[in-house]
Amino acid sequence: EPEVTQTPSHQVTQMGQEVILRCVPISNHLYFYWYRQILGQKVEFLVSFYNNEISEKSEIFDDQFSVERPDGSNFTLKIRSTKLEDSAMYFCASSVDDRGTGELFFGEGSRLTVL
Amino acid sequence: AQKITQTQPGMFVQEKEAVTLDCTYDTSDPSYGLFWYKQPSSGEMIFLIYQGSYDQQNATEGRYSLNFQKARKSANLVISASQLGDSAMYFCAMREGVDNQGGKLIFGQGTELSVKP
Repeated sequence: EPEVTQTPSHQVTQMGQEVILRCVPISNHLYFYWYRQILGQKVEFLVSFYNNEISEKSEIFDDQFSVERPDGSNFTLKIRSTKLEDSAMYFCASSVDDRGTGELFFGEGSRLTVL
Repeated sequence: AQKITQTQPGMFVQEKEAVTLDCTYDTSDPSYGLFWYKQPSSGEMIFLIYQGSYDQQNATEGRYSLNFQKARKSANLVISASQLGDSAMYFCAMREGVDNQGGKLIFGQGTELSVKP
C-alpha cells in the first residue's frame, strides 16, 4: 500500500541552526501539507502546497519557514534558524485533491528537538 | 470560534466495553469530511474512519463506528469491545470543501483514552 514517508524520524539540533525535514508524498498525489504538534497539544496546520506554490499558510508559518518540492518527488520543510519553541513533531501529509470529502494521508512524523 | 471541539480531555473505559468519544464541528460549507485519527504514544497518526457530509449512512470500520448527526453537527466515534491497545490519543478532524483553499484538515484538541484491564 502506498504511503507517505518522512525523514529523519528524529532530529536534535542547536538553537539557531537550520533544519530541513523531508517527505516523499504518495506518487499520484497533488496536494501536500505540513502540520506541527507540540508535545501534548493538538495538531496544527502549517502550510498547504499545490502546483509548486503555497496555497495556504497559517500564522505559525512565518519567514523562518519555507517549503519546496525540489525534484518532483520530495517535499521539504526548512526552518532557517530554529528556536526552542520549534521543538515539536512535524507531520507531512498528501492527498489526491482538495475536496472536502477526500482523505489526507499522513507520514509517521519527524520529531524535532531544539536545544 | 473553534471549528472542531472535543470536550473530553480524558476518558477511561473498562476492557471489552464500548466507549464514545465526542466531537462537534462548525462549518457553513455543505461539502466537508470528518475524520478520526488515533495517536499512540509512539506519535504516528493512524487513520481510523471517515464520514462525508453527503453520506447517508454512518461510517463503520471494524470496531469503529461514527455516529454522525448532521443537524447537531456532531461526529462521535464509538469504539466497541475496547482493547488495551486502544489506549491512545484520539483526534477528530474536519476538511472543508468550497471555502478551503488547498484542502487543509482542522484538528480538535484530542481525547486521551485509557483502557483499564
